[in-house]
Amino acid sequence: GAGVSQSPSNKVTEKGKDVELRCDPISGHTALYWYRQRLGQGLEFLIYFQGNSAPDKSGLPSDRFSAERTGESVSTLTIQRTQQEDSAVYLCASSVHVGGDYEQYFGPGTRLTVT
Amino acid sequence: GDSVTQMEGPVTLSEEAFLTINCTYTATGYPSLFWYVQYPGEGLQLLLKATKADDKGSNKGFEATYRKETTSFHLEKGSVQVSDSAVYFCALTIDTGANSKLTFGKGITLSVRP
Repeated sequence: GAGVSQSPSNKVTEKGKDVELRCDPISGHTALYWYRQRLGQGLEFLIYFQGNSAPDKSGLPSDRFSAERTGESVSTLTIQRTQQEDSAVYLCASSVHVGGDYEQYFGPGTRLTVT
Repeated sequence: GDSVTQMEGPVTLSEEAFLTINCTYTATGYPSLFWYVQYPGEGLQLLLKATKADDKGSNKGFEATYRKETTSFHLEKGSVQVSDSAVYFCALTIDTGANSKLTFGKGITLSVRP
């Protein structure tokens, strides 16, 4: 079946502009996660959704970052007034948290470059 | 807080060589441990996992054993192939019942020469 998809695959934006990154999880996956991978670093957790609520936003680096999710479907990560340090690959993952199975399936990522 | 430390890379090996990639962790609770792999041009995918002490995860010839006494989860393969060239990430999660956010190491790039 279809995996996790993300769009756009690449985004180049000027410093100060707002960007929206989209994630389409696997159908039926109730949990959704956003991570970011900066050059030379591991993946950093940003936010977790269960359904359309976000009980853990502890990884969002500043109030310029926000995210929402529609039901158990698409999620959008928004970065306002982008800065050069926001340049990274943003990864989305989804999982079905049933009976202890919590494998996360990752999308291909969106590479964001802020110039 | 929770953290994962991986050995520094990159690592370059000849085909059929033995591979060990070290991973150690610190965790406030009782973690589950994972190895994820990212092949060139592909997304991150789960390679193997172990959910309790002394468990051994295995897949595609790779193995890792959950060692609680040394807080380690080292990845091993007896004979690497060129197709194993990829970036490998060690990760953990503290399963609170719903939120299974992953804490990752920095990753290590493995290149296997023919």
